[in-house]
Amino acid sequence: QSVLTQPPSASGTPGQRVTISCSGGTSNIGRNFVYWYQQVPGTAPKLLIYRHDQRPSGVPDRFSGSKSGTSASLAISGLRSEDEADYYCAAWDDSLSGYVFGTGTKVTVL
Amino acid sequence: QVQLVESGGGLVKPGGSLRLSCEASGFTFSDYFMTWIRQAPGKGLEWVSYISTSSLSTYYADSVKGRFTMTRDNAENSLFLQMNSLRAEDTALYYCARGFRYCSSTSCSSSNLDGFDVWGQGTMVTVST
Repeated sequence: QSVLTQPPSASGTPGQRVTISCSGGTSNIGRNFVYWYQQVPGTAPKLLIYRHDQRPSGVPDRFSGSKSGTSASLAISGLRSEDEADYYCAAWDDSLSGYVFGTGTKVTVL
Repeated sequence: QVQLVESGGGLVKPGGSLRLSCEASGFTFSDYFMTWIRQAPGKGLEWVSYISTSSLSTYYADSVKGRFTMTRDNAENSLFLQMNSLRAEDTALYYCARGFRYCSSTSCSSSNLDGFDVWGQGTMVTVST
């Protein structure tokens, strides 16, 4: 099973703010960069946030990331219908010498 | 444009072998770490393996260690995943992805500590009798 834990689902109405948590440990989030990915069903994942809180060009500033200790969060403000997707956190794990993904969170726009 | 195209997936019996390929275009392939990530039907993402720019370092998930081998050919802009002793639990869509290359004001670098910024569309591997 995954070493990074996320809530299975989150939802909101258009325009609302949704926050997704990602809980890890000292060997992964506690020491290494957190990344976030968005996966619309039927498509490949897309990089959303890199190195905890940086957005690649082209990603709207409605998406923001943060990290505190061994946990990280992704916030989506001004929720839009096209934000309906699965979201995954990820980080390198020093103990496993491998990359680990979160369990994934399905965001629904009501 | 930057692109990754996987191939080589298919149906194979348990215990069999398969070799996946990933052809890269639109960027300097030799500058980037590369990785394979898989996703079982209806499940989440699982990292499989990672290879450094010059193939000096490779990393594998415990679930595939000893069975899978990742290689690259920088001259051909290609990535490979040799999968042996396949099991039913290896059934998944296999993605090839490019390691994120972080650039400061003075230089750029690629490392296993960073994630992935470009993904292919995946190739399906089914292990079944």
